[in-house]
Amino acid sequence: EPEVTQTPSHQVTQMGQEVILRCVPISNHLYFYWYRQILGQKVEFLVSFYNNEISEKSEIFDDQFSVERPDGSNFTLKIRSTKLEDSAMYFCASSYSGGFSSTDTQYFGPGTRLTVL
Amino acid sequence: AQRVTQPEKLLSVFKGAPVELKCNYSYSGSPELFWYVQYSRQRLQLLLRHISRESIKGFTADLNKGETSFHLKKPFAQEEDSAMYYCALMDYGQNFVFGPGTRLSVLP
Repeated sequence: EPEVTQTPSHQVTQMGQEVILRCVPISNHLYFYWYRQILGQKVEFLVSFYNNEISEKSEIFDDQFSVERPDGSNFTLKIRSTKLEDSAMYFCASSYSGGFSSTDTQYFGPGTRLTVL
Repeated sequence: AQRVTQPEKLLSVFKGAPVELKCNYSYSGSPELFWYVQYSRQRLQLLLRHISRESIKGFTADLNKGETSFHLKKPFAQEEDSAMYYCALMDYGQNFVFGPGTRLSVLP
């Protein structure tokens, strides 16, 4: 069964550095998402992406964040200048129909643990 | 604003006992609700969604609009059911709003 993959599994960076988290969604999916989960807290929506542009973004997704689909397979989340509070597990997800089909859902990747020192 | 609550952070039951994981939501529209499960060191995976009204791994969940609840139930818990369970609501933008999660521990 196809799966969403994410790299790296763990990223350690210094405060103020830029990081790029990578995701390969399921190949025929059209909608892409990023979520984050700070340790001990709930999973929070960051951004959704469709047709090469952002569809929705949360308050968390400020100017420090950007997303890109640089080619036909990758979907990246960039944090321009990391802060200590960006330390979290970042999950990528993809879906075929964006929830418009009752048989579809979002499929999650295994996550990237980001540690900002 | 849409919100999902799961009042129990941790729920421990003995193997073979019934289990109920509570979920309540607040949403102004017609909600679409899901249960996701995360086994140890694995990714979030869909367990079930209310619209399909199915039973997966013996789990069922009924949407009660009057009580704004979507509790997850299983009549006889198994040790392999031990995991984090997240209730989630799909909002108008087709994005998920997750509850804080309940850790289910099934004791032998």
